[in-house]
Formats: sequence, C-alpha cells, structure tokens
Amino acid sequence: GQSLEQPSEVTAVEGAIVQINCTYQTSGFYGLSWYQQHDGGAPTFLSYNALDGLEETGRFSSFLSRSDSYGYLLLQELQMKDSASYFCAVVDSNYQLIWGAGTKLIIKP
Amino acid sequence: DAGVTQSPTHLIKTRGQHVTLRCSPISGHKSVSWYQQVLGQGPQFIFQYYEKEERGRGNFPDRFSARQFPNYSSELNVNALLLGDSALYLCASSPQGLVSTDTQYFGPGTRLTVL
Repeated sequence: GQSLEQPSEVTAVEGAIVQINCTYQTSGFYGLSWYQQHDGGAPTFLSYNALDGLEETGRFSSFLSRSDSYGYLLLQELQMKDSASYFCAVVDSNYQLIWGAGTKLIIKP
Repeated sequence: DAGVTQSPTHLIKTRGQHVTLRCSPISGHKSVSWYQQVLGQGPQFIFQYYEKEERGRGNFPDRFSARQFPNYSSELNVNALLLGDSALYLCASSPQGLVSTDTQYFGPGTRLTVL
C-alpha cells in the first residue's frame, strides 16, 4: 500500500524554528510537495522537491532524501499566522498526489 | 485574476440523494482535479481531467463521476449518497495537469453534509 507518515501535531514558540518530517512509501515517486491549510481554508502550495537536497523559499525550506524516502519542511522565524496544518504529498507513478494526514502546527506567543 | 471558484459552498443532503458540485478553474488552466477531504485527514484524489478527458481516477466507487466542459469548468457528481460521503470537496486547477511539475491551485471547497 501507499502511506505517508508525518507527526499529527507540533508545538513551537513564535520566532523559533520548527521542522516537520515526512516519510513515505508509495508506488513510484516523482516528487514531494508541501501544502499549508488554515482551518476552514483551501490548501496552498508551499514547495516541491523532485531531487535530493534543500529548496529555500523565504522563511520556508524543504528537504528531500530519495534514498531514505524522507523529507522535511523547515519553518523559520515563526509567526502566529503560520499556525495551520501542513501536508506532505507525493506524486506517485500514476501522476497522482498522495497526501499525508497532516501536521497541525500550534504556535505559542 | 479570479482564482478557482466552487459552488455551492455548503450543501446538506440526505442519504440516497444525488449531488452535483461545480468548479471553475483559473483562466488559462486546462486541468481540473477533484479531492475529498474528511475532517482531520489529508485530501484524497478522486479524479483528474485535462482537455475534457479523464486523465486519472482515484480509489472511489462508481457512484462518483465527473466531467469537464469545453470551457474547462467541471462537475463532480455523487449518486446514492452515504453518511460517509460527508466531507470537504476540493477542486484544484493547473495549467497542463502535469502533477509532477505543475502547481495545483485549490478552490475554497464545498462542504457536503449527508444526514
């Protein structure tokens, strides 16, 4: 079967750095995506890694290790508006997005 | 430019009924995908359409069907509704529907409640 594992909840302090991990087991792999979803809102695209290494976009960075079937999202200089659910999603061999269950990020002042 | 729009925003139906959900993609986007998101879970892929042709189908029963129109808008139909169909239904559009390279832009979703 196909599965993506990520922590259900992470708590951090405003201004700090937090890392959300994702491990995957899928039929084929083309890349790992990260999406942010605020309560009641639509998912919004954050990043996409097709190759090993780190991709940086402002305060957010995403890492991929294909050999370890592992990736993470790194959020720096946390702001209260970053409180949301974060999903990793894999593009599988059928070119479909397979999503994890999401990580709820709670930020405390 | 307008983003992805979906209608209706909320819908309440009873078991056994039929429902039609609608989606208009971003102007210029030719692909529409449909997802079901149950509370507390990640979205699950239902269908993808590109240039009015079905490009992909997720693991959903035949009660679920969809189509894409010449203007690239799309409808998702669900027959014989079950309580378990209660969820947020998300539509996403992308330029070419190449999931590996295209960014998907999501609409606000339709919240379906089946009683």
